[in-house]
Amino acid sequence: DAGVIQSPRHEVTEMGQEVTLRCKPISGHNSLFWYRQTMMRGLELLIYFNNNVPIDDSGMPEDRFSAKMPNASFSTLKIQPSEPRDSAVYFCASSLRGNGEQYFGPGTRLTVT
Amino acid sequence: DQQVKQNSPSLSVQEGRISILNCDYTNSMFDYFLWYKKYPAEGPTFLISISSIKDKNEDGRFTVFLNKSAKHLSLHIVPSQPGDSAVYFCAASGYGGSQGNLIFGKGTKLSVKP
Repeated sequence: DAGVIQSPRHEVTEMGQEVTLRCKPISGHNSLFWYRQTMMRGLELLIYFNNNVPIDDSGMPEDRFSAKMPNASFSTLKIQPSEPRDSAVYFCASSLRGNGEQYFGPGTRLTVT
Repeated sequence: DQQVKQNSPSLSVQEGRISILNCDYTNSMFDYFLWYKKYPAEGPTFLISISSIKDKNEDGRFTVFLNKSAKHLSLHIVPSQPGDSAVYFCAASGYGGSQGNLIFGKGTKLSVKP
């Protein structure tokens, strides 16, 4: 089992550019979560999907952020346009619905200059 | 307002001794609690969980205690090993964890010294 796969592992971009983060959940898991980790706010849930449907996006900071899950094996988190305050580590996690245990990917470290 | 609080940002323990990590929560709807461990440059990994119908759950060297009246849980590691050095996150969920929406504390960095 390859675990949750995220790409890229590191992303450095300039303010105003579009950033797309990618996630492949564990096969068979039907819930997918996007988190952001910063020193100030810790680990925050941005959005989560059940069976590819967005359930709660109340954590998405603003309209510049969007997430999609076109199928059970792929999800993207897009920031357009990016700003320096978006710099953080973004984690994707997946789980089986009905089981609180979530399995995290290695994260994408985003730096916006 | 933080619903899950880990008030100690760091903890240092000698190898072989007990490590006790604490977590407080404010939302009485939480009924499922988890601990995660995180090494640098890796994602958090699940360690142990407890349902609110229990007050203790044990898995090898790791034991989680839940005090519902105090809205407090703790993770005990006995004996502590240098490989346990990591950041530990407490997380909470409602609906028995079935909704999957976890609220995390900010973490406690544990250092186990040889």
